[in-house]
Amino acid sequence: NAGVMQNPRHLVRRRGQEARLRCSPMKGHSHVYWYRQLPEEGLKFMVYLQKENIIDESGMPKERFSAEFPKEGPSILRIQQVVRGDSAAYFCASSPGLAGGDTEAFFGQGTRLTVV
Amino acid sequence: DQQVKQNSPSLSVQEGRISILNCDYTNSMFDYFLWYKKYPAEGPTFLISISSIKDKNEDGRFTVFLNKSAKHLSLHIVPSQPGDSAVYFCAARADSNYQLIWGAGTKLIIKP
Repeated sequence: NAGVMQNPRHLVRRRGQEARLRCSPMKGHSHVYWYRQLPEEGLKFMVYLQKENIIDESGMPKERFSAEFPKEGPSILRIQQVVRGDSAAYFCASSPGLAGGDTEAFFGQGTRLTVV
Repeated sequence: DQQVKQNSPSLSVQEGRISILNCDYTNSMFDYFLWYKKYPAEGPTFLISISSIKDKNEDGRFTVFLNKSAKHLSLHIVPSQPGDSAVYFCAARADSNYQLIWGAGTKLIIKP
């Protein structure tokens, strides 16, 4: 029973390039959440998706960042024209239903993005 | 505006003793609090939670205490073991909102 799988684990991009981060939720989970952790800080909510729908992207920067969760395949967090400030650990979590109350989300191991 | 604060970046405790990790919050709408444990290069794993209608929740060696009037919660680990060395995050949410608001974490080091 595989957990939440994220790849790649480490990603290095030059300024101006695109970064694509993938997240495969746990089997049976249809709700996906992306969080970002900057150095020395806690995780910050970015976006919540269900299959083919963005439910809440209030934590996502308005420009250069986008997310999708297609009917088939993993959820993708896409960062265009990366800048040094995008360097962070990006965590994906999934849950079988809407997380809240007694329903917790399970986290992947994260993707550490380094922009050089 | 930090709604969830963990004021101790690190804590060192002797093996076998009690570890107490603290967390303060400012938003009175929060009614569900969680503690996560995180090892280096891994994702956070859920440890224990508490609803605002309770003031204590216990699970084995882990106990979380909630003081709503002080907007303060704490995680007690007793006895502390070497495998408990990790970063501990306090997180909170309002009602059934899925968005977790996280503290910056406290690095717990258990000394042999």
